Amino acid sequence: GAVVSQHPSWVICKSGTSVKIECRSLDFQATTMFWYRQFPKQSLMLMATSNEGSKATYEQGVEKDKFLINHASLTLSTLTVTSAHPEDSSFYICSARGTARTEAFFGQGTRLTVV
Amino acid sequence: EDQVTQSPEALRLQEGESSSLNCSYTVSGLRGLFWYRQDPGKGPEFLFTLYSAGEEKEKERLKATLTKKESFLHITAPKPEDSATYLCAVDPSGGNTPLVFGKGTRLSVIA
Repeated sequence: GAVVSQHPSWVICKSGTSVKIECRSLDFQATTMFWYRQFPKQSLMLMATSNEGSKATYEQGVEKDKFLINHASLTLSTLTVTSAHPEDSSFYICSARGTARTEAFFGQGTRLTVV
Repeated sequence: EDQVTQSPEALRLQEGESSSLNCSYTVSGLRGLFWYRQDPGKGPEFLFTLYSAGEEKEKERLKATLTKKESFLHITAPKPEDSATYLCAVDPSGGNTPLVFGKGTRLSVIA
């Protein structure tokens, strides 16, 4: 399958600071990327969809000013958690789809802990 | 509304004990059904894509099948390393829209 690389795999930050998570498609052009949040023993919760060169579409209840998504190229999308608080601690996962295949491929995930 | 339901929620098997996981779906139009495996603390790993009823795909001890209303993931003679959460997802509209995921089946295989 295609490779999606997510970085960092884990991060600890202080409350009030911002954290950036990168998601790269290594061997295909990702026209669309998705960002998910996952709580322990729960399923994936879609946060937003981003198309290359366009503004992200956020799911209901997701604060777009808090979770900034940029998809400036066909291989890179970033999620920035601004002014992080302990309740933002979670597992964040990106996913990418291209035009050549119908499958979505996932990154390894990022464990964010806000202290 | 497009919907995916997976059962059982959790399954515990003895090593070598074959079984099946179910994924039933209700969608306006199916562009593909996908199976993923997720290990704790990792992102989902792609396993299979099925497009039409009657289609089957195999990989090692896993075989996925598809009907017009559901998909099965058959696990033959499982090993402890098959323990994971298995996720089913559908693409209801094609293009670059999000997949619709089920809540997953947590499989534990005991030696």
